Amino acid sequence: QVQLQQSGPGLVKPSQTLSLTCAISGDSVSSYSAAWIWIRQSPSRGLEWLGRTYYRSKWYNDYAVSVKSRITINPDTSKNQFSLQLKSVTPDDTAVYYCARASPLFDSGPTSIYGLDVWGQGTTVTVSS
Amino acid sequence: DIQMTQSPSSLSASVGDRVTITCRASQNINTYLNWYQQKPGKAPKVLIYAASNLQSGVPSRFSGIGSGTDFTLTISSLQPEDFATYYCQQSYSSPLYTFGQGTKLEIK
Repeated sequence: QVQLQQSGPGLVKPSQTLSLTCAISGDSVSSYSAAWIWIRQSPSRGLEWLGRTYYRSKWYNDYAVSVKSRITINPDTSKNQFSLQLKSVTPDDTAVYYCARASPLFDSGPTSIYGLDVWGQGTTVTVSS
Repeated sequence: DIQMTQSPSSLSASVGDRVTITCRASQNINTYLNWYQQKPGKAPKVLIYAASNLQSGVPSRFSGIGSGTDFTLTISSLQPEDFATYYCQQSYSSPLYTFGQGTKLEIK
């Protein structure tokens, strides 16, 4: 059974860097089929995809345009985990942050449809001085 | 960017009712559409993937249909544990994993 365990501070000061980690058990961050995702949820933004990292012979990253200048998602193969760093946070970054696994839930020849089938427990992050 | 619009935003229903939630994409997404259920304080859980496929372990009272831009999630006979918020999500193109705004299903 695949599980994701999140860790990191729940309070970050404005202008500082938000850092969260997602430890994976039951799968590998270097999986050739999965992608590893960060999502956040707030009343104002709803569920917002932030970015992903995945391995397909080399490492790839994709980030949402809304945070692209401030975000880094890194895999750590030695610890089988991945991390989120969001720089220069403001109160608008206050949200519940989730890590998740994207898997090819539908896989038929050339068509693979990915869904988020495993989620972390969520971390409530408040940006406040 | 692909926008996902759900309707209604909220819905009151009784145990045993048949309920339908709709999701519309701002452009053709084929069947790259998933449905999730979220209960308070919990992470979302995938119910339906690729528009019409039931995720393992999900009760058969849940079903989905659609292709292109219009999709529906139906619960055939509401159970007490089904009162939650439901989200559609596209994985067709960037930004990937765009979600609808959610439909809150409440007890009448």
